[in-house]
Amino acid sequence: AQKITQTQPGMFVQEKEAVTLDCTYDTSDQSYGLFWYKQPSSGEMIFLIYQGSYDEQNATEGRYSLNFQKARKSANLVISASQLGDSAMYFCAMRGDYGGSQGNLIFGKGTKLSVKP
Amino acid sequence: GAVVSQHPSRVICKSGTSVKIECRSLDFQATTMFWYRQFPKQSLMLMATSNEGSKATYEQGVEKDKFLINHASLTLSTLTVTSAHPEDSSFYICSAMITGFRNQPQHFGDGTRLSIL
Repeated sequence: AQKITQTQPGMFVQEKEAVTLDCTYDTSDQSYGLFWYKQPSSGEMIFLIYQGSYDEQNATEGRYSLNFQKARKSANLVISASQLGDSAMYFCAMRGDYGGSQGNLIFGKGTKLSVKP
Repeated sequence: GAVVSQHPSRVICKSGTSVKIECRSLDFQATTMFWYRQFPKQSLMLMATSNEGSKATYEQGVEKDKFLINHASLTLSTLTVTSAHPEDSSFYICSAMITGFRNQPQHFGDGTRLSIL
C-alpha cells in the first residue's frame, strides 16, 4: 500500500529565510509521481511542484524546489526567501502507476507553515 | 493553465435536504475526476473516482447511495449528498486531471463548505 508521511504538524520560519518541509513515502510501484500542494485558509488546493520517480534532477519552480532522495524515499519541499503569503497548509502527495491506480492521489497529513515578519 | 470550477462554494441547509455540487473542467477534457472530503485540520480523503460514461469507483467506507456521483460529460462531474445530516457537514473538493498525461498534477476546484443544520 502507498503511504505518505509528513512528520511536522507545524513549522515556523522567519520572513526571507528558507524552510524545508519533510515528506517521506512508501510504495511498491516502480513508477510514481510526487506532488506538493499549498492550501491557504480559504481552502483551495494550489499545485506547487512535481517530481517523477525517474527524473534524475530535482524539480524546481521559482522559489520552490524539491529535494528528491529516491533511495531514502524522501521528497522534501524547500521554500526559499519565505514570504508572509506562504503561510498555509502544505500537503505532500503521491500518485502511483497511472494504469493501476487511475491517477488518484494519496495525501500526507500536512504541515502548517507560519511565516513570521 | 488548467482551471476547475466548483459550485457552490458554500451551502447551509436543513437536515434531510439533498445537496448537489458541480465540478467543471473549464479548458480541458477530464475523463477522470476525483471527489475528496476534508474535515477541519485534517488531510484530504478520497471519496470516489468519477469516470465519464461509467459508474464511479467508491473508496471503502463511502456509501454510494449517500453520495451519488454522475460524470455525464468530459467536463462535468456532480456529487449529490442525499438526505444530508449534520455529520455530513464537511469541506468537499473535486479535482480533475488532463487525460493521458501521467505527469500532470490534479487540478482542484475551490471546494464546497457544506453545513447541515
